[in-house]
Amino acid sequence: EAQVTQNPRYLITVTGKKLTVTCSQNMNHEYMSWYRQDPGLGLRQIYYSMNVEVTDKGDVPEGYKVSRKEKRNFPLILESPSPNQTSLYFCASSLYHKGQGVTEAFFGQGTRLTVV
Amino acid sequence: GQNIDQPTEMTATEGAIVQINCTYQTSGFNGLFWYQQHAGEAPTFLSYNVLDGLEEKGRFSSFLSRSKGYSYLLLKELQMKDSASYLCAVRRPNSGGYQKVTFGTGTKLQVIP
Repeated sequence: EAQVTQNPRYLITVTGKKLTVTCSQNMNHEYMSWYRQDPGLGLRQIYYSMNVEVTDKGDVPEGYKVSRKEKRNFPLILESPSPNQTSLYFCASSLYHKGQGVTEAFFGQGTRLTVV
Repeated sequence: GQNIDQPTEMTATEGAIVQINCTYQTSGFNGLFWYQQHAGEAPTFLSYNVLDGLEEKGRFSSFLSRSKGYSYLLLKELQMKDSASYLCAVRRPNSGGYQKVTFGTGTKLQVIP
């Protein structure tokens, strides 16, 4: 089954304790991205990756890191989480066609993070 | 900055037709997506427009006017299960030749009997 898998689904952590949210897709997609979703603000792109070893900042990258060492995995790293990073996080993957560009996104089930 | 506007909430009656508008002002444009998101779930893809005009997919249609920075999603024969948030998203190139995607804040649609 084609899917994007995020782990964990729920996480409560303390300020300053490094954490990683994993994301894996089995569709051989080139393009992967991370979003956070907050009430009234919608989905905001944190980081995205056009392919292995190619990443770039989205609209809200501060406080986050990513890596893309393999095509299927795109982990999100919070080196020193703070309460304002409490949010619902989604990973997504898309095909990238040279002529068409990035196609529709397939989303993971989300990770609800609380930083206290 | 990037600006994508949608109405916050809409209510419509089962069996009716509803149009959800999206206007955008972004630095660059090369495609617009619509997604559906039920409460507590991940967004799922509905439609995609890159050229002006109407794209139809069953009960859902989406329209784009690039010159006006405007799109709408049309839902026909509304069903109770269509109660969800509808997200408009603009794909745009950045200076590095990559592609970013920016979402609007979404429109929460309530379908009533």
